[in-house]
Amino acid sequence: AAGVIQSPRHLIKEKRETATLKCYPIPRHDTVYWYQQGPGQDPQFLISFYEKMQSDKGSIPDRFSAQQFSDYHSELNMSSLELGDSALYFCASSLRDREETQYFGPGTRLLVL
Amino acid sequence: AQSVTQPDIHITVSEGASLELRCNYSYGATPYLFWYVQSPGQGLQLLLKYFSGDTLVQGIKGFEAEFKRSQSSFNLRKPSVHWSDAAEYFCAVTGYGGSQGNLIFGKGTKLSVKP
Repeated sequence: AAGVIQSPRHLIKEKRETATLKCYPIPRHDTVYWYQQGPGQDPQFLISFYEKMQSDKGSIPDRFSAQQFSDYHSELNMSSLELGDSALYFCASSLRDREETQYFGPGTRLLVL
Repeated sequence: AQSVTQPDIHITVSEGASLELRCNYSYGATPYLFWYVQSPGQGLQLLLKYFSGDTLVQGIKGFEAEFKRSQSSFNLRKPSVHWSDAAEYFCAVTGYGGSQGNLIFGKGTKLSVKP
């Protein structure tokens, strides 16, 4: 079965640079979530989209933005990167119905130097 | 406030022994509960979920969990642990749809398996 695809899998950036992470949800899934997992931490919710509209917002810094496109893929744009942004970024997708189960991608590991 | 507590940061069990990982939640509405497993450097794999109905749910890899509303708990169990079960386990909670959809995770329990 098709899974959530994230690209790139690994990314190295310098401070103050920008980064774009991409997420391709499971086919027919209409909702995308972004999570950030710092080293040794639990995943923290950043932002979600349903049918291309922002659905909910968590602890996403103002330096970050995201959107969902007409084909339901999503991009997380990160600017003015800081050392503390180094983390594993997960995308998850779900189908918004009565049983909302999120399926996670493999993550993008971002290292900011 | 909505939260998930996993009291055990690290557990070590012998291969073949039984396992129970604890999870307590605090959630105002009807909770949807999940257990995910994460191997080092890997993504989160769904083990099992509880939405309603039978409070004992079966998952993949021989895992099961029991929802106890009176104790606000959703403990994960496995009768016989295999070395390949060594990983980090996260309990998570969410609500029904809409802005309640984002998962709230516990801090995780790292499982080590002794030969």
